[in-house]
Amino acid sequence: EDQVTQSPEALRLQEGESSSLNCSYTVSGLRGLFWYRQDPGKGPEFLFTLYSAGEEKEKERLKATLTKKESFLHITAPKPEDSATYLCAVAPYNTDKLIFGTGTRLQVFP
Amino acid sequence: EPEVTQTPSHQVTQMGQEVILRCVPISNHLYFYWYRQILGQKVEFLVSFYNNEISEKSEIFDDQFSVERPDGSNFTLKIRSTKLEDSAMYFCASSSRQTQYFGPGTRLLVL
Repeated sequence: EDQVTQSPEALRLQEGESSSLNCSYTVSGLRGLFWYRQDPGKGPEFLFTLYSAGEEKEKERLKATLTKKESFLHITAPKPEDSATYLCAVAPYNTDKLIFGTGTRLQVFP
Repeated sequence: EPEVTQTPSHQVTQMGQEVILRCVPISNHLYFYWYRQILGQKVEFLVSFYNNEISEKSEIFDDQFSVERPDGSNFTLKIRSTKLEDSAMYFCASSSRQTQYFGPGTRLLVL
């Protein structure tokens, strides 16, 4: 069965304290892996798409990496405005749907 | 920057009533989706729609649910007879290829 597991569930960081969020997945065939940011009461906001192992994408303080079994979202020198829930989703082959993890709730304190 | 819009932002209804949730996808996108998120739970796929027909649906998407693209811009989700357990955030998404872009959601509360 295709599934996505994210860890940790919650993460509290001091401003400037770098860290990584993990997304482990099992899927019959990976069409793509997606990272989204979700603020409370809002829709998922697209961050990155990764297609193959070894691929990396960067945007401001965020960097996403992909292996054959997991993806990491690295946050460098976070700021309070980076506080949100970060969602990982996979798109298996032969299906339209995204399968989401439960997310990591990140809080960054000044 | 183009974005997916949804109306209404909040909807309160009585159990057994019909509701219609509306979405305007990004204009050049061809694939449309509905997802829902029950409070504190994962985002779950409901249905995908392409070329004016359903391309895939989940177990959740039973006979009480239907989707329609009534004109060139709107995409709707109808719940025919709402149940308490239909209370959730409903997200519309659209894509041109791989990446799905989500709307802000409609919070549905069934009393």
